[in-house]
Amino acid sequence: EVQVVESGGGLVQPGGSLKLSCAASGFTVSGAGMSWVRQASGKGLEWLGPIGGNANTVHPESVKGRFTISRDDSKNTAFLQMNSLEIEDTAVYYCTAWFEDLKMEVWGKGTTVIVSS
Amino acid sequence: QSTLTQPASVSGSPGQSITISCTGTGSDIGAAESVSWYQQHPGKAPKLIIYHVSGRPSGVSARFSGSKSGSTASLTISGLQAADEADYYCNSYAGSDTRVFGGGTKLTVL
Repeated sequence: EVQVVESGGGLVQPGGSLKLSCAASGFTVSGAGMSWVRQASGKGLEWLGPIGGNANTVHPESVKGRFTISRDDSKNTAFLQMNSLEIEDTAVYYCTAWFEDLKMEVWGKGTTVIVSS
Repeated sequence: QSTLTQPASVSGSPGQSITISCTGTGSDIGAAESVSWYQQHPGKAPKLIIYHVSGRPSGVSARFSGSKSGSTASLTISGLQAADEADYYCNSYAGSDTRVFGGGTKLTVL
């Protein structure tokens, strides 16, 4: 079964760091278009960036310089490194995988990050 | 990037058709045939229902259809059912390999 499972969320103080993981099964992360999306409670979706087959990444202005997406092909896992966290970063963080050839997209159940003192 | 503009809410009766608009600019929706739509039920992860403006993933009902004209994309749901009540989000290519979501639309089935 093709699936992704996020982990690593939790409570962190403002200014702190957290690294989220997205473990893939049923496919290789290097062969899919992986992305991260977040959603604050009661709010809309916010795209955080992709990591494609060539491992290139890009981020929106809201998190540029603070968030970095990477992947470890040997662990078949994508990551979201979050630094200098702000209260406004409190949200559910989702990992997604897009398969261009199958025209199919898989989402995880999300992991919750709470930034609070 | 700014979010794409969607109506906050739409409603319709069972069996009717509704359309949700998603307005952007020539730098996002108008720049490429790369608009997606997502359905999200409360407490659940979003689900892709339309890709590449009008493509429908396997398993998604043909009652869902997408289109685009200039810088505005649209999602039409025909034959409304109670199970369609959810939040809907558009997502578009926004230049320089970035993407952007719309603010979301709450669909109420009366």
